[in-house]
Amino acid sequence: EDQVTQSPEALRLQEGESSSLNCSYTVSGLRGLFWYRQDPGKGPEFLFTLYSAGEEKEKERLKATLTKKESFLHITAPKPEDSATYLCAVHSGGSYIPTFGRGTSLIVHP
Amino acid sequence: NAGVTQTPKFQVLKTGQSMTLQCAQDMNHEYMSWYRQDPGMGLRLIHYSVGAGITDQGEVPNGYNVSRSTTEDFPLRLLSAAPSQTSVYFCASSYARRTSGNTIYFGEGSWLTVV
Repeated sequence: EDQVTQSPEALRLQEGESSSLNCSYTVSGLRGLFWYRQDPGKGPEFLFTLYSAGEEKEKERLKATLTKKESFLHITAPKPEDSATYLCAVHSGGSYIPTFGRGTSLIVHP
Repeated sequence: NAGVTQTPKFQVLKTGQSMTLQCAQDMNHEYMSWYRQDPGMGLRLIHYSVGAGITDQGEVPNGYNVSRSTTEDFPLRLLSAAPSQTSVYFCASSYARRTSGNTIYFGEGSWLTVV
């Protein structure tokens, strides 16, 4: 059974204080690891897909990395508008159904 | 490009009432699914479909029915609403490839309160 664990559950940062969110996973044949951002009162919005260990992707202040056991979402010099819940999901071989983690709630204080 | 559209946005039901949450996508996606999201529980899969006429149960299917008569639409029916079904519901869709990861696109959510 695929498992995804995200840590920490909640994170409070000061504006400009860089940090990382963790997504640890166990899957049978990784087909893709996904990061989503969810704003309050909204549906999750796709950020990145990573397919193989060593792959990295960037978007503005966010950078996602992948190893064989975990993924990190690095947030560099965050701004208050980066406040959201960040969800990680994995898609394993032979299945249509992704497995989601419970998310990390990020609050960035001005 | 509308993406995934859910209606209604908000609904209040009395215990025992039935209702249907509507979901439509315009991306020609084979895979559609319904999730509920509760505080501390994350996203839990209710039902899913990999094409018209094909549906299957997810993690928490009890009390819900679905059907998929067209590629575009995937309605979720609450048969006899219970307070435990108070939640926010998300419809999602994607391509259905087994050999590579499929990006999931979500609707904006439907907030349901059962009193």
